[in-house]
Amino acid sequence: QVQLVESGGGVVQPGGSLRLSCAASGFTFNSYAMHWVRQAPGKGLEWVSSISYDGSEEFYADSVKGRLTISRDTSTNTLSLQMNSLRPEDTALYFCARGPASTINPPQYYYYGMDVWGQGTTVAVS
Amino acid sequence: SSELTQDPAVSVALGQTVRITCQGDSLRNYFATWYQQKPGQAPVLVIYGETNRPSGISDRFSGSSSGNTASLTITGAQAGDEADYYCSCRGSSGHHLIFGGGTRLTVL
Repeated sequence: QVQLVESGGGVVQPGGSLRLSCAASGFTFNSYAMHWVRQAPGKGLEWVSSISYDGSEEFYADSVKGRLTISRDTSTNTLSLQMNSLRPEDTALYFCARGPASTINPPQYYYYGMDVWGQGTTVAVS
Repeated sequence: SSELTQDPAVSVALGQTVRITCQGDSLRNYFATWYQQKPGQAPVLVIYGETNRPSGISDRFSGSSSGNTASLTITGAQAGDEADYYCSCRGSSGHHLIFGGGTRLTVL
């Protein structure tokens, strides 16, 4: 079945680094855009980053630009989020989610939404 | 601005119809998507492109829009519909995505 499984979360000090991973299975990973979305404790959803199906385009929220880097590895069907210079406000549950298929250009990602989500991995910066 | 505003909480009697709204300037130009999130679970896409339901989503869920306001309507509310509902859209800057603050739906 179609599945996304996040890992790599943990507790890190301010200024530290962490690398999150999202293992995809049950679908053709290199045919879909992918996203990271986070949710601070007791708060709402916040879009973090997106990457095109082939990894050629990356997009970031202003709050993380320059500190977080999204990437994908088609050989292992893995989506990653390298997190540097972490701040207390980065504390959240991080979800990876599937975006639209490769035929859809980035300006239209919003239209199709995120149809498959993982269960999330928790990052605590303290 | 690139903000989406939702009522923090809405309640509906069992079996009745409820409308959850989302307001923002971006909605004048871009379509809304809607997510349902139950406690301790990942979000689930319930509406995309303003009015479209993904496969497996009940036809009790429908979406609409007027001006700067998008709406998610749930007809015949059930206890299982209790959840947080989030709207989402494209922001005004680049390809950024934005979420509303969420609406907690209580079924009485």
